[in-house]
Amino acid sequence: DQQVKQNSPSLSVQEGRISILNCDYTNSMFDYFLWYKKYPAEGPTFLISISSIKDKNEDGRFTVFLNKSAKHLSLHIVPSQPGDSAVYFCAAWRSSGDKLTFGTGTRLAVRP
Amino acid sequence: DVKVTQSSRYLVKRTGEKVFLECVQDMDHENMFWYRQDPGLGLRLIYFSYDVKMKEKGDIPEGYSVSREKKERFSLILESASTNQTSMYLCASSSAGGGNTGELFFGEGSRLTVL
Repeated sequence: DQQVKQNSPSLSVQEGRISILNCDYTNSMFDYFLWYKKYPAEGPTFLISISSIKDKNEDGRFTVFLNKSAKHLSLHIVPSQPGDSAVYFCAAWRSSGDKLTFGTGTRLAVRP
Repeated sequence: DVKVTQSSRYLVKRTGEKVFLECVQDMDHENMFWYRQDPGLGLRLIYFSYDVKMKEKGDIPEGYSVSREKKERFSLILESASTNQTSMYLCASSSAGGGNTGELFFGEGSRLTVL
């Protein structure tokens, strides 16, 4: 049972434009949602998170939007840069379970 | 600078060999995790531990075991490696208790190839 889904395996965007990565979830009991970025041959690094009681969180070029009624969140990167090219994982966390559930990832390619 | 260190970045083993993957964290975290990453499958949880001597099965524990004898160290063991265990293995840690947002700190990964 895939509780966290990233339906787009890849995304290609021109440098300077907006990148939008999407994530859907099925469990309404999640307390936090997180985005991780992963370069090849490296471990994932934390990017940004959002509490389930918020609908937006912004950090520099990165903004995460949460739509609880649709059980959907998205990561916006503006403007996109070639260094943003990586695999992005959406993850969800329940405080009662204390472990993250990850999506399958979206590979972002930012073209110069 | 906080750190999760995995002992081997790249390993090549033969089918049937016993494999140890070691992970050490210096953040005094209670929780430690082992994931594997495969293309199209994302990060899948193998085992995790909330405390010394404790272990819990994740989503795909078959063929693996773990050991947590000290708080800072969490080992993943493949008793008899098979080719379908060729993967990138990622260790992570997190703090427990109030105020936690679920953030995990990952090591750099261990790329295991089983021939």
